[in-house]
Amino acid sequence: NAGVTQTPKFRVLKTGQSMTLLCAQDMNHEYMYWYRQDPGMGLRLIHYSVGEGTTAKGEVPDGYNVSRLKKQNFLLGLESAAPSQTSVYFCASSYQRGGYNEQFFGPGTRLTVL
Amino acid sequence: AQTVTQSQPEMSVQEAETVTLSCTYDTSENNYYLFWYKQPPSRQMILVIRQEAYKQQNATENRFSVNFQKAAKSFSLKISDSQLGDTAMYFCAYTGSARQLTFGSGTQLTVLP
Repeated sequence: NAGVTQTPKFRVLKTGQSMTLLCAQDMNHEYMYWYRQDPGMGLRLIHYSVGEGTTAKGEVPDGYNVSRLKKQNFLLGLESAAPSQTSVYFCASSYQRGGYNEQFFGPGTRLTVL
Repeated sequence: AQTVTQSQPEMSVQEAETVTLSCTYDTSENNYYLFWYKQPPSRQMILVIRQEAYKQQNATENRFSVNFQKAAKSFSLKISDSQLGDTAMYFCAYTGSARQLTFGSGTQLTVLP
């Protein structure tokens, strides 16, 4: 049982390049999330999904797109990377269980945009 | 919108001593959950403890306990018998009806030998 995994762990991009981050979970969770973490700040929600085929915007969605074609995968895309998107990205997943929403996190992806 | 505030960017404690990390939050909801997450240098986010707002009793997990003051909207974390492995960034987090986590900015805790 691998939990939540993220691919890749590190990536360096040039401004204007595109890339996709992959998140996979094997816990059959309904909810999945993408966060970014910047120095001196907590995690901020980018996009999330409450089920296969559905996505919604979080606190900081601009410049990102997501897709949830399969229940176990949640993809985060950057179409035209900018230096402001240099950050550590975390994926998380959770059950839909009443009001309690424990999220299980992946190990993070460090992205640098030059 | 809910906000979570951690006013202590950095703290240190001697090994085996007790330390308390502060967290305040703002919400208009009555039913919600509060969490403390630990992020060691490995970057992995680890759930330390959770508190359900409708429970008056403070949550406890081994050496970790909280002081939950609902009226004051305060949620502090006490670590007893601090160990070197407790060195990490600690985040306070809130979730309510929207089922989204809102994080504070974190407190970097260093346990000194």
